[in-house]
Amino acid sequence: QKEVEQNSGPLSVPEGAIASLNCTYSDRGSQSFFWYRQYSGKSPELIMSIYSNGDKEDGRFTAQLNKASQYVSLLIRDSQPSDSATYLCAVNADYGQNFVFGPGTRLSVLP
Amino acid sequence: DTAVSQTPKYLVTQMGNDKSIKCEQNLGHDTMYWYKQDSKKFLKIMFSYNNKELIINETVPNRFSPKSPDKAHLNLHINSLELGDSAVYFCASTGRDTKGYTFGSGTRLTVV
Repeated sequence: QKEVEQNSGPLSVPEGAIASLNCTYSDRGSQSFFWYRQYSGKSPELIMSIYSNGDKEDGRFTAQLNKASQYVSLLIRDSQPSDSATYLCAVNADYGQNFVFGPGTRLSVLP
Repeated sequence: DTAVSQTPKYLVTQMGNDKSIKCEQNLGHDTMYWYKQDSKKFLKIMFSYNNKELIINETVPNRFSPKSPDKAHLNLHINSLELGDSAVYFCASTGRDTKGYTFGSGTRLTVV
């Protein structure tokens, strides 16, 4: 059974701080990694994708991937109250385009 | 135009009833999915379907059945609804050249 794990939180950070969200996965053959943001009562929306080891930056978001450690993280710089949401890590399974989601980490950015 | 649309948005029904949730995507994607999100926000895949292959998560009860009249539609039919079926059901789609999924807005099913 392929597994994706995240700390459920809540993770609370003050406005302007860096929020660090972590995700580990069990399938060493995984190739694609995504971070989704889900506001309460809304559907998940894709915010970052990463495929290679290292860092990938997009605005205030940085995704970090370490395949040897089976670890992917999301850093949010200059956190804003509007970043308060649940962040879902998704990892591709070995059967095509299907993804396994982690349980999500609830982030709360305090004004 | 909404890329992935689901209807209804809310569904309240009694135990034992049969209900359907509809999903349509206008993105030209070739694979569609149904996910169930429980009260703890855990998203679990139920089905994935493209023109050629239906993949069923073996943990899904056979009371749940996907029906795809064409490439742009994947409906979910549920027989003999149970209290534990209460959840938010998300439809999603993806294409060969796209990144990740595009999700529908979800259907909140409440079984009473």
